[in-house]
Amino acid sequence: SQKIEQNSEALNIQEGKTATLTCNYTNYSPAYLQWYRQDPGRGPVFLLLIRENEKEKRKERLKVTFDTTLKQSLFHITASQPADSATYLCALDNSPETGANNLFFGTGTRLTVIP
Amino acid sequence: NAGVTQTPKFRILKIGQSMTLQCAQDMNHNYMYWYRQDPGMGLKLIYYSVGAGITDKGEVPNGYNVSRSTTEDFPLRLELAAPSQTSVYFCASSPRGLDIQYFGAGTRLSVL
Repeated sequence: SQKIEQNSEALNIQEGKTATLTCNYTNYSPAYLQWYRQDPGRGPVFLLLIRENEKEKRKERLKVTFDTTLKQSLFHITASQPADSATYLCALDNSPETGANNLFFGTGTRLTVIP
Repeated sequence: NAGVTQTPKFRILKIGQSMTLQCAQDMNHNYMYWYRQDPGMGLKLIYYSVGAGITDKGEVPNGYNVSRSTTEDFPLRLELAAPSQTSVYFCASSPRGLDIQYFGAGTRLSVL
């Protein structure tokens, strides 16, 4: 069956440390993988997109890697701040298999940065 | 800059009632989507549209209907509401398939 698994429902880290969030997928063949941030009571907000032929993407303190052999993406927040506390969702497509342009979302990891 | 606007923000329905969740976007995006999000679960796609007049089912379409008569609007209709439809509903849009999706603030629906 198809699965998108994000590491532990909740992750607590100290301010200033690097947070690493994991997204593993099974029985998908994504051409793209995206990361979104969701704050309580709000809709998801796009952060980063990485294509299957890209190994790494960076944006300010954010870095995402994509390993199609391991079927895994890692999302890093360096020098974390309390304002980074939120739920982070990974999303991917299965367009090479189905031709459909839909995204499938993981259940998310709730990150808390402790001052 | 309104982006994606959803109304209402909250609604309580009785079992068997019907309602329409409204979604409008002002970015001239071709693609629009409806998701539901249950506690501890990821976003599940209900229906999507690739342009005015074209809609298709997602993962969980049962109990819902959609229409897309204009580029801007993509309403979601619930007929004969059931407790299993208690959820938070999000509408999103994107300029193309597999592109960044822009989400509305959501509609929290309870069916009692």
